[in-house]
Amino acid sequence: EDQVTQSPEALRLQEGESSSLNCSYTVSGLRGLFWYRQDPGKGPEFLFTLYSAGEEKEKERLKATLTKKESFLHITAPKPEDSATYLCAFSQGGSEKLVFGKGTKLTVNP
Amino acid sequence: DADVTQTPRNRITKTGKRIMLECSQTKGHDRMYWYRQDPGLGLRLIYYSFDVKDINKGEISDGYSVSRQAQAKFSLSLESAIPNQTALYFCATSDPARAPHTDTQYFGPGTRLTVL
Repeated sequence: EDQVTQSPEALRLQEGESSSLNCSYTVSGLRGLFWYRQDPGKGPEFLFTLYSAGEEKEKERLKATLTKKESFLHITAPKPEDSATYLCAFSQGGSEKLVFGKGTKLTVNP
Repeated sequence: DADVTQTPRNRITKTGKRIMLECSQTKGHDRMYWYRQDPGLGLRLIYYSFDVKDINKGEISDGYSVSRQAQAKFSLSLESAIPNQTALYFCATSDPARAPHTDTQYFGPGTRLTVL
């Protein structure tokens, strides 16, 4: 069964303490791997799309990477405003639908 | 102005009532989606539409119906609401012509629905 698993479920960091979030996926014919940020009570906000193993994308303190089995969202020197739930999703060949993981709730303490 | 809007933003209703949630977009995208989000379960697809004449069921369509009134409008209805339909509901859009991000979906702000 095609699925995506995110770990950890929750992560607490001190401001400036770098870390990584993991997204493991099992899918035949991966078409795209997506990262979203979601603040409480709001809609997911698009961050990155990755299409092939070895690809990397960066935005401010965030960098997303992709291998054949997983993706990482690296957070460098996080700030309290980076606190949010980060969602991972994939699409596969023959279907434009996205399959979402349950997310990692990140809290960055000042 | 937001590209994807949803109304209402919050709704409390009673079991058995008919409810309609509305989604409008100014992005010019052909594809629209409805999701629900529950704590611990993530986002699940209810219905999706690739154009005005194309409506498809998602993984959890039972108890829901949709209407695509125009390219920019996609409504979700609960014909007879029940308490386990209490959730956050999100509308999203995508544009297959938006290479290379053809599958990227853009979400509205959500509707918090409570069924008593």
